[in-house]
Amino acid sequence: SQTIHQWPATLVQPVGSPLSLECTVEGTSNPNLYWYRQAAGRGLQLLFYSVGIGQISSEVPQNLSASRPQDRQFILSSKKLLLSDSGFYLCAWSVIGAGLSGNTIYFGEGSWLTVV
Amino acid sequence: AQSVTQLGSHVSVSEGALVLLRCNYSSSVPPYLFWYVQYPNQGLQLLLKYTTGATLVKGINGFEAEFKKSETSFHLTKPSAHMSDAAEYFCAVKRETSGSRLTFGEGTQLTVNP
Repeated sequence: SQTIHQWPATLVQPVGSPLSLECTVEGTSNPNLYWYRQAAGRGLQLLFYSVGIGQISSEVPQNLSASRPQDRQFILSSKKLLLSDSGFYLCAWSVIGAGLSGNTIYFGEGSWLTVV
Repeated sequence: AQSVTQLGSHVSVSEGALVLLRCNYSSSVPPYLFWYVQYPNQGLQLLLKYTTGATLVKGINGFEAEFKKSETSFHLTKPSAHMSDAAEYFCAVKRETSGSRLTFGEGTQLTVNP
């Protein structure tokens, strides 16, 4: 079965410090990968998605970047965090290609980031 | 472009009462629709989804949703609320045919009172 792991679960970082959140998927190959952010009291915002190694699409301009160095690894980064970067970050994956299973997105447990 | 509107950011029901969480969508093509649940400090878990076929979809934990094209709605219901149903619920519509990207609603926080 497929599993998704992301870490760290909780992070408190000062303004201006770097960020690295990691996500890995097991039990599948060549998945679509996603980073979502959920700010307090708000819905989910898609930040980045990737359909393959080195292929990253950004949904909104922001202070963050994403990379996919390996097929099942997705990293969310920042060089200098802002207060507004605080939130709950969710990594997710889905199967590429046609078929009903390709339409479901599966989420990791999330990472709480507090920028102070 | 697809979008999702969830009516009511907070819904409160008594234990044993009917749960009704509303979701309306706009889509230029027949949509794929989803309901996810998020328990405190956790990721999202798929409750149910509508892709094609039967418009009444049954999901986990006794939840179901009905796709009504004429009303552009996909409301989530459960006949009898349980305390463990307290969580945030998100409706989502599939945005495009590639990448399975979803557009989420703002979420509805469900409180279940004893």
